[in-house]
Amino acid sequence: EVQLVESGGGLVQPGRSLRLSCAGSGFTFDDYAMHWVRQAPGKGLEWVSGITWNSGSIVYADSVKGRFTISRDNAKNSLYLQMNSLRAEDTALYYCAKDIGCTSTSCHGPYYGMDVWGQGTTVTVSS
Amino acid sequence: DIQMTQSPSSLSASVGDRVTITCQASQDISNFLNWYQQKPGKAPKLLIYDASNLETGVPSRFSGSGSGTDFTFTISSLQPEDIATYYCQQYDNLVTFGGGTKVEIK
Repeated sequence: EVQLVESGGGLVQPGRSLRLSCAGSGFTFDDYAMHWVRQAPGKGLEWVSGITWNSGSIVYADSVKGRFTISRDNAKNSLYLQMNSLRAEDTALYYCAKDIGCTSTSCHGPYYGMDVWGQGTTVTVSS
Repeated sequence: DIQMTQSPSSLSASVGDRVTITCQASQDISNFLNWYQQKPGKAPKLLIYDASNLETGVPSRFSGSGSGTDFTFTISSLQPEDIATYYCQQYDNLVTFGGGTKVEIK
């Protein structure tokens, strides 16, 4: 079974740091780009960051650029998100997601979308 | 940055109705668009990729069309289990989600 399991969320004070982890299983982890997507309470989906299979391309949303760092360890089938200088507006459910990859109708690359999602880990930034 | 505008933000329809959601990109994104379904308390689920391709296992009552800047998502016959919020997402330049459309039963 293809699965993603996030961990590391919690309550943190503004300005502090937190590191999220995501463990993948049931698929060849290092064949795919990976993403972090978040959802603030009662709000829509917001893409946060993406990383290609070999970490050769790393991209961020403007809202987190310079504060968050995405990384991966293919030997451990794991994805990470280091979040620094956290703000109240970073409060959200954070999802780890596997990229769809190249399809029969599109090989635009390097990022396509998400076909496998974890259940999310909650980050609350509050004093 | 590419902006994705979804409409309507919510709708109410009867079981068996045809439901249509539109998504407009702020610039030409070819067919680099996906659609997701998110049920309350659950992670999103990919339904349609590359604007019109049905993901494996997704019922055929779901469909997508469009290219360039204007896209449409359709449920041909609304079922009670389709109650959810639907999102479009572009991948022409980075990744951007639309604001979502909440679908309810009338």
